[in-house]
Amino acid sequence: DTEVTQTPKHLVMGMTNKKSLKCEQHMGHRAMYWYKQKAKKPPELMFVYSYEKLSINESVPSRFSPECPNSSLLNLHLHALQPEDSALYLCASSRSGGGANYGYTFGSGTRLTVV
Amino acid sequence: GENVEQHPSTLSVQEGDSAVIKCTYSDSASNYFPWYKQELGKRPQLIIDIRSNVGEKKDQRIAVTLNKTAKHFSLHITETQPEDSAVYFCAVLEGNTGKLIFGQGTTLQVKP
Repeated sequence: DTEVTQTPKHLVMGMTNKKSLKCEQHMGHRAMYWYKQKAKKPPELMFVYSYEKLSINESVPSRFSPECPNSSLLNLHLHALQPEDSALYLCASSRSGGGANYGYTFGSGTRLTVV
Repeated sequence: GENVEQHPSTLSVQEGDSAVIKCTYSDSASNYFPWYKQELGKRPQLIIDIRSNVGEKKDQRIAVTLNKTAKHFSLHITETQPEDSAVYFCAVLEGNTGKLIFGQGTTLQVKP
């Protein structure tokens, strides 16, 4: 299995809702990432988990809360989002945070719309 | 931290022509340089990558060159086809943090 699977593919939520994005990989990768991508812009890193521990938080607002229950799963919990948070949310994984072989792989993303 | 600049922001070529996109980076310790193609509404797809111990790598119509001294690397697409039309992003893996820093993207249009 060489895929990173993200669910749901599309999500529409109100500003008072709580929802979660899910990401799963079975490649044995020990680093997992959340990126946010606005239209026609490059992906922007949000969080990095390395060996199930949060290693990087790029000053992301607390309305985004990541969770890594185990080495194969990564969640992003959403609460009280704003319309400007509407974007494509991409999960990625890699063998580690460094080294010669990275295998950096992106999931197909969740298209989030906040209304 | 790492800073990546990508040029041009848009590129229009005739089918069959070559296309070249260039990126520069700032951190000499960076050692992994992937290129992604992103079609509208889809995920970034890795099309080719190069590591710092290699100067050039080819895969059919696509090649990447790396000049570590000058800290720049380039994507070359030969014999372009309409299906090559997409946004292309270069990226640099920042040291041992695992952070992939992207260029701003190049919108490539291949006219039939």
